[in-house]
Amino acid sequence: EDKVVQSPLSLVVHEGDTVTLNCSYEVTNFRSLLWYKQEKKAPTFLFMLTSSGIEKKSGRLSSILDKKELFSILNITATQTGDSAVYLCAVGGTYKYIFGTGTRLKVLA
Amino acid sequence: NAGVTQTPKFRILKIGQSMTLQCAQDMNHNYMYWYRQDPGMGLKLIYYSVGAGITDKGEVPNGYNVSRSTTEDFPLRLELAAPSQTSVYFCASSRGTGGTEAFFGQGTRLTVV
Repeated sequence: EDKVVQSPLSLVVHEGDTVTLNCSYEVTNFRSLLWYKQEKKAPTFLFMLTSSGIEKKSGRLSSILDKKELFSILNITATQTGDSAVYLCAVGGTYKYIFGTGTRLKVLA
Repeated sequence: NAGVTQTPKFRILKIGQSMTLQCAQDMNHNYMYWYRQDPGMGLKLIYYSVGAGITDKGEVPNGYNVSRSTTEDFPLRLELAAPSQTSVYFCASSRGTGGTEAFFGQGTRLTVV
């Protein structure tokens, strides 16, 4: 059975801290791994990773994929209160995306 | 540039009632999905479709039905609403599952009382 597991489930940090969110997966016919940010509405797309070892960056956010060990991490440096959200990891298999339970991040001022 | 459009945005149903959640996309995507999200949880796949006339069950299909008669539309039917179906429902579409993201509608918040 396909499975995507995220950790930690929730996290509280102070502004300026660096956080690392984890996503491990067991999905048949892996095609891609996606990270989304969700703030009370629909998820918004952050990154897509398909190749191992290549870091994707966007401002203070970065992500990397390890296809041998079947996991990905999402790093957020110098966190801001606007980073407070649920971060979702999704893995694309042959015909569908399977999502993890998400990591709820709260950044305190 | 509408993307994925879901209607209605909110709905309250009584136990045993039926309804259809509508989803339409204008990006000519072959792949479409229905997810539900319970409070504090991730997204669970209900049904998906890889093209008109082709649908398949996801992780939590019980109590739901779908059809896909056109590329654009992918309605989700609840036949006998139960309190356990209280959730937020998201429709999404994509060109595929590799090298492409999934685009989401704004969601339908459904309460069954």
